Amino acid sequence: ETGVTQSPTHLIKTRGQQVTLRCSSQSGHNTVSWYQQALGQGPQFIFQYYREEENGRGNFPPRFSGLQFPNYSSELNVNALELDDSALYLCASSRSGRFSYEQYFGPGTRLTVT
Amino acid sequence: AQKVTQAQTEISVVEKEDVTLDCVYETRDTTYYLFWYKQPPSGELVFLIRRNSFDEQNEISGRYSWNFQKSTSSFNFTITASQVVDSAVYFCALPSGAGSYQLTFGKGTKLSVIP
Repeated sequence: ETGVTQSPTHLIKTRGQQVTLRCSSQSGHNTVSWYQQALGQGPQFIFQYYREEENGRGNFPPRFSGLQFPNYSSELNVNALELDDSALYLCASSRSGRFSYEQYFGPGTRLTVT
Repeated sequence: AQKVTQAQTEISVVEKEDVTLDCVYETRDTTYYLFWYKQPPSGELVFLIRRNSFDEQNEISGRYSWNFQKSTSSFNFTITASQVVDSAVYFCALPSGAGSYQLTFGKGTKLSVIP
């Protein structure tokens, strides 16, 4: 069984640029959640995708957007990058639908905004 | 609103010692789940346990054990005979509301096991 994979591993961007992060869910999982983890903090929920639609959103501005594809993989897009967007971005997939209690996380993408 | 407090920021123990990581939570829900995750230096969050608030029995899995006390809103995690591979950041979490899929995490406890 293939676990959750994310790409790229590391990324350096300049303030104001746009970035796309990618996630492949674990085999058999149809729900993907994205979290932002600042240094020394716990992960913060960004949003979740189920059946290619956004299924809930945390306290993040609209410049954070996402997509889910028919194969359940997902993208996180961040526009107009700010220095505070520097963080580890974690993707998590789960088997159930709207109530995805057991989430399995990928290794994350470390984004640095300079 | 849900809240998870992990008061211990960092803990260091010598290998083979026992260590307990504390987790205190706040929720208005009458039924809820609680989770523990491990984050090794590689960054990936590893699922350790899910506990339903209905079940207050302590749980043991190998060297790991969990003590859930609803009366004190605590869900503590004990590692017995710690090993260097246990060095990681440990997070306690609960869903953001009844039926919610959004996890609210504590700030984590960094455990260092010294050989």
